[in-house]
Amino acid sequence: GAGVSQSPSNKVTEKGKDVELRCDPISGHTALYWYRQSLGQGLEFLIYFQGNSAPDKSGLPSDRFSAERTGGSVSTLTIQRTQQEDSAVYLCASSLGYYRGYEQYFGPGTRLTVT
Amino acid sequence: SQQGEEDPQALSIQEGENATMNCSYKTSINNLQWYRQNSGRGLVHLILIRSNEREKHSGRLRVTLDTSKKSSSLLITASRAADTASYFCATVQNRDDKIIFGKGTRLHILP
Repeated sequence: GAGVSQSPSNKVTEKGKDVELRCDPISGHTALYWYRQSLGQGLEFLIYFQGNSAPDKSGLPSDRFSAERTGGSVSTLTIQRTQQEDSAVYLCASSLGYYRGYEQYFGPGTRLTVT
Repeated sequence: SQQGEEDPQALSIQEGENATMNCSYKTSINNLQWYRQNSGRGLVHLILIRSNEREKHSGRLRVTLDTSKKSSSLLITASRAADTASYFCATVQNRDDKIIFGKGTRLHILP
């Protein structure tokens, strides 16, 4: 079946502009996660959704970052007034349930470059 | 240091040799997972080992977990060029169920 998809695959934007990143999880996966990965670094947790609710927003680096999930499926991560330090690969993952015992299936990521 | 730290940071070995990567963590965990990331791609789940398990095998992969030392190792036997990738360990913490990824080990298999 189809895996996790993300769009766009690459995004170049000017500093100060807003961007929206999209994630389509695997059908039937209730949990959805967003991570950020800077060049050569590990994954930085941003936010996760269980259904449409986001119980844990602690990883969002600033109030310029927000995310929503509608219909228990597609999620969008919005970054307002982008800064150069926002440049990274943004990865989305989904799983059947939340964390314990459930492997995460990752999308290919969106590479964001802020100029 | 952070939860789920891998070492070494980078490893180069000859094709056919075994590759061993280690992961250390700090807090009590429910399970530990290993993922692989090929350059520029998403992560792929390799194996999950629960806190009450000591060893697990999957094909050429062997994972051990020592909860007394808070460490895990991933062994890849008879390495192949296609094994060249970054390998991450991820721990699921008991206290809050959060999964935390390390910074990874970059493995390079030399022909």
